[in-house]
Amino acid sequence: DAGVTQSPTHLIKTRGQQVTLRCSPKSGHDTVSWYQQALGQGPQFIFQYYEEEERQRGNFPDRFSGHQFPNYSSELNVNALLLGDSALYLCASSLSGVRQPQHFGDGTRLSIL
Amino acid sequence: RKEVEQDPGPFNVPEGATVAFNCTYSNSASQSFFWYRQDCRKEPKLLMSVYSSGNEDGRFTAQLNRASQYISLLIRDSKLSDSATYLCVVNIDGNNRLAFGKGNQVVVIP
Repeated sequence: DAGVTQSPTHLIKTRGQQVTLRCSPKSGHDTVSWYQQALGQGPQFIFQYYEEEERQRGNFPDRFSGHQFPNYSSELNVNALLLGDSALYLCASSLSGVRQPQHFGDGTRLSIL
Repeated sequence: RKEVEQDPGPFNVPEGATVAFNCTYSNSASQSFFWYRQDCRKEPKLLMSVYSSGNEDGRFTAQLNRASQYISLLIRDSKLSDSATYLCVVNIDGNNRLAFGKGNQVVVIP
């Protein structure tokens, strides 16, 4: 039973560039959430996708956008990268519903030079 | 006020000892609660859900106090492998958006 998989594992970009991160949810899960984790901090919610729609969004600028595909996989896009976007980006999947725990992928470590 | 607050520590614990820590949450309408464990430079992994009646999983015990809006985690008979950061996680609303604390860093010392 494959868990949540993310790609790539590591990525180095420069300021102003654009990046796309990918996530495949755990088998049977229909909801995907994205989080940003800066060093020494807890993960911060970016947005959540369900039924190919953005269902909720955290306090992140429009430079952060996403997509969910019919097979429930998801992408996170970040435009006009800033130095402060350097972080671990985590994808989590779950079944829809309030008490469903979320399962995380290994994350993509993004470094902006 | 932050949605979830934790004292980051570190908590230096002798092997075999008991350690306990709390976190507080701000939204009284929060509906579900979890503890996640995160090892250095790894992803968070679900340790346990926290239920109103309290629950235990081996050496780990979680408690929820809705009146005071805090959650606790107790680790008994600490092992070296328990060294990690323990993240307090609250489901803020009905759509499963999770709010994380900064984490409690636990270092178990031989």
